[in-house]
Amino acid sequence: DIQMTQSPSSLSASVGDRVTITCRSSQNIDTYLNWYQQKPGKAPKVLISGASSLQGGVPSRFSGSGSGTEFTLTISSLQPEDVATYYCQQSYINLGTFGQGTKVEIK
Amino acid sequence: EVQLVQSGAEVKRPGESLKISCRGSGYSFDSYWIAWVRQMPGKGLELVGIVYPDDSDSRYSPSFQSRVTMSADKSINTAYLQWTNLEASDSAMFYCAKLADPGMIAAGTYFQYWGQGTLVTVSS
Repeated sequence: DIQMTQSPSSLSASVGDRVTITCRSSQNIDTYLNWYQQKPGKAPKVLISGASSLQGGVPSRFSGSGSGTEFTLTISSLQPEDVATYYCQQSYINLGTFGQGTKVEIK
Repeated sequence: EVQLVQSGAEVKRPGESLKISCRGSGYSFDSYWIAWVRQMPGKGLELVGIVYPDDSDSRYSPSFQSRVTMSADKSINTAYLQWTNLEASDSAMFYCAKLADPGMIAAGTYFQYWGQGTLVTVSS
């Protein structure tokens, strides 16, 4: 099975800060990596597919990069509405597996 | 507008049976795989499995293979997740989600639309 590991598990940053979340896979998954945002008490929402393709309606401050085994989600200027837990998910094989999540809070 | 509407919260006793539902609208329901995702209290997302509404073809994640059954009724645009012998450890929020690509499961697909979730509580 492919294991997905996110870091950090949580972070606290100020409004306007640049925030970076890393996701590593246990084997090469090309660019078959998706990012989801889950706000408290809500269902997840897809932000980015294929490692770097921003979904419609997602603010441009969100971006994704990477290939192979290392990927990043960047929020260029953190906003209060970005408080959420972020999950990566590989869609390379075996229905896909999620990372454990990164909780983002405002300092 | 694509929508997935799930059935309401359930409270059950250990050993009881349960079937929760996910009704899709705004797209060709029978052509897109539906995924079920578990989220235990305070924990992350786990894929239970996926079901193809056209023929109820189902694929299970190994951890859930013997615990649940997925099915679908395309005549009423509804997918189901059911248990026959609930345990306290089945208590969780369950989400359904529509895969992005029609037909065969392709590498690179993703969970494009999500239901609002169904909270299952199993307690004696």
